[in-house]
Formats: sequence, C-alpha cells, structure tokens
Amino acid sequence: SAVISQKPSRDICQRGTSLTIQCQVDSQVTMMFWYRQQPGQSLTLIATANQGSEATYESGFVIDKFPISRPNLTFSTLTVSNMSPEDSSIYLCSVQTGGNNQPQHFGDGTRLSIL
Amino acid sequence: DQQVKQNSPSLSVQEGRISILNCDYTNSMFDYFLWYKKYPAEGPTFLISISSIKDKNEDGRFTVFLNKSAKHLSLHIVPSQPGDSAVYFCAASAMSGGSNYKLTFGKGTLLTVNP
Repeated sequence: SAVISQKPSRDICQRGTSLTIQCQVDSQVTMMFWYRQQPGQSLTLIATANQGSEATYESGFVIDKFPISRPNLTFSTLTVSNMSPEDSSIYLCSVQTGGNNQPQHFGDGTRLSIL
Repeated sequence: DQQVKQNSPSLSVQEGRISILNCDYTNSMFDYFLWYKKYPAEGPTFLISISSIKDKNEDGRFTVFLNKSAKHLSLHIVPSQPGDSAVYFCAASAMSGGSNYKLTFGKGTLLTVNP
C-alpha cells in the first residue's frame, strides 16, 4: 500500500491562530481524504481533497474553517483556521487507491492541542 | 445518531484464546465493511474487509463475519497474540450509494491480550 507522511506529527497552538497540515504520498492516488478524531470519539470525515478543484466538504464542515488544497496527485494540505480549544483533535489524511471495494489507508495523524 | 456502534469499549483476552470484537450498524445502505487496528501514536491500519455479498472473509488469523439481517459484524482473532493489543475500529460505507468513499467509523474497542 502507499506510504503516507503527515507533517507535523503534533503541535500546540494558541487560540485564534491557524495551522496547515501536510500530507505527502509516495505514489499517485486518485482519492485523498481528511478526517478528524476528537478525544474519545470516532473518526469523522471532514472532506475529500479533489485534485485541481475545490474540496468536497461533509455536513458540519466548511471551507472557511478547514481550507484544503490538492495541487497534484501526491500531495494535499488541510488548514485549521482561527483555532479554538474545541479544535483539539487528531487530524488524519487517508488515501484510496484503485476502485470500489478498496480500503483507505491512513497516515499517522497530526495531534493538535489548542491552548 | 451513530450509524456504526461498537458497544464494548474494551476487551481483555488471554494469549492463545479467541478474541471476538463486535460491531452493529443501522444504515441499511451500507454494503462494504472494514476493520482497522490502531496503535498509540499511529494511524489506523487496514486489517480486513467484507462486502455485503459475502457473509465471511478470512485472512490468516483474522476472520470477519457479516450478518446482514441483524446488521451485525464481528472480527475473530485466533489465536490472539500480545501484539494484537490495540484499538480496533469498525467502519462501513455505501459503495452503491454514490458516496462510496465515505467511511463511517465506530468509536473503537481497546483489545488487550495478556501473556
């Protein structure tokens, strides 16, 4: 499966600031996704990062808060904007190679704490 | 409303015995199911999957059973090993519903295998 690298692995940020998380894959992939795991909760899909066009956001997530870029088939960024303590979570990038009935594979995540 | 439920937050098993992790779902559109394993400070790792046209899928020590009428699936690990100690997530998607990429996760079950 693809090797997925996320940076940073963790960070502590001040409220009101923004942080950009990078996701790099070692091969071209069709689908890239961003998830969030709040403390004690399950993983929740934030958006699908579309190459060359705007990301597709899930209900409850908006572009102003979580802008996403995907300039090519191996790289994507997620920005968490104007952070508050409620944004303290693990943010994970995932990729899907191949067609239907293929699993998604995840990076190790970014552990974000907002003070 | 949680569409994928893992009702046991934790499970403890002796090495060499069988581990059975359970998962229930409510959305009848789900037709593809996956299990992921997650170690601390790492991203989820894909274990095994099953589509709704099957009721069993086996891969080495891991077997997933699907009971569509009960909307229930389970993961069997035989024999259990201390290295299997991790959080196990059940996930589901609706491959035929257009949103075939969106994985809905349960909250996870912490499996501890005691030597």
